Amino acid sequence: QITLKESGPTLVKPTQTLTLTCAVSGFSLSTGGVGVGWIRQPPGKALEWLALVYWNDDDRYRPSLKSRLTITKDTSRNKVVLTMTNMDPVDTATYYCAHVPPGNCSSSTCYIPYHFDSWGQGALVTVSS
Amino acid sequence: QSALTQPASVSGSPGQSITISCTGTSSDVGDYDYVSWYQQHPGKAPKLVIYDVTHRPSGISTRFSGSKSGNTASLTISGLQADDEADYYCSSYTNIDTWVFGGGTKLTVL
Repeated sequence: QITLKESGPTLVKPTQTLTLTCAVSGFSLSTGGVGVGWIRQPPGKALEWLALVYWNDDDRYRPSLKSRLTITKDTSRNKVVLTMTNMDPVDTATYYCAHVPPGNCSSSTCYIPYHFDSWGQGALVTVSS
Repeated sequence: QSALTQPASVSGSPGQSITISCTGTSSDVGDYDYVSWYQQHPGKAPKLVIYDVTHRPSGISTRFSGSKSGNTASLTISGLQADDEADYYCSSYTNIDTWVFGGGTKLTVL
């Protein structure tokens, strides 16, 4: 059974750096094709994709936030970490981490998934002085 | 990277069918068959109900189905049940190797 659990501060001050950790179980971060992404949701608003890291450390970022975001993984500790610099009250949101399943290859083609099939419970982060 | 466009709300009576649309561009929905749909009950994490436009994950009712035409994807829920009342979000992979979500649709079961 795949599980993900977010942890981090519930309150950060404006201009501070946020560090969130996603602890995963039920799969290995080194399995070919696996990815873990971060998605946030401001109170009462829509989901917003932020970043994703693949098993091979390849990463992707939301273009508008790329300069503020860093995503890394620690395979031995089964954790994925997201850091966001220069926090602002508009960054107040519930932050979710989610699993991208591994793809598979036949002799002639490979299937690569682009969906999030398991999600953590979320971590609410409030940005306020 | 603009959000995909969804209706803010839809409603239906128990037993009826509803369809939620999700409109993107030729850079996302129109370019890839990588549209997914998520159900979110209040205070809960999103749950995958459709992936790759038409595929249902294991354990998801056959009442949920997906389709796509051009830049617009759709989620249809047939035989509406009270527990289907939730927010629904579409998502698509994009041609700049990122993901984009829709603005969300609140489904009310009357």
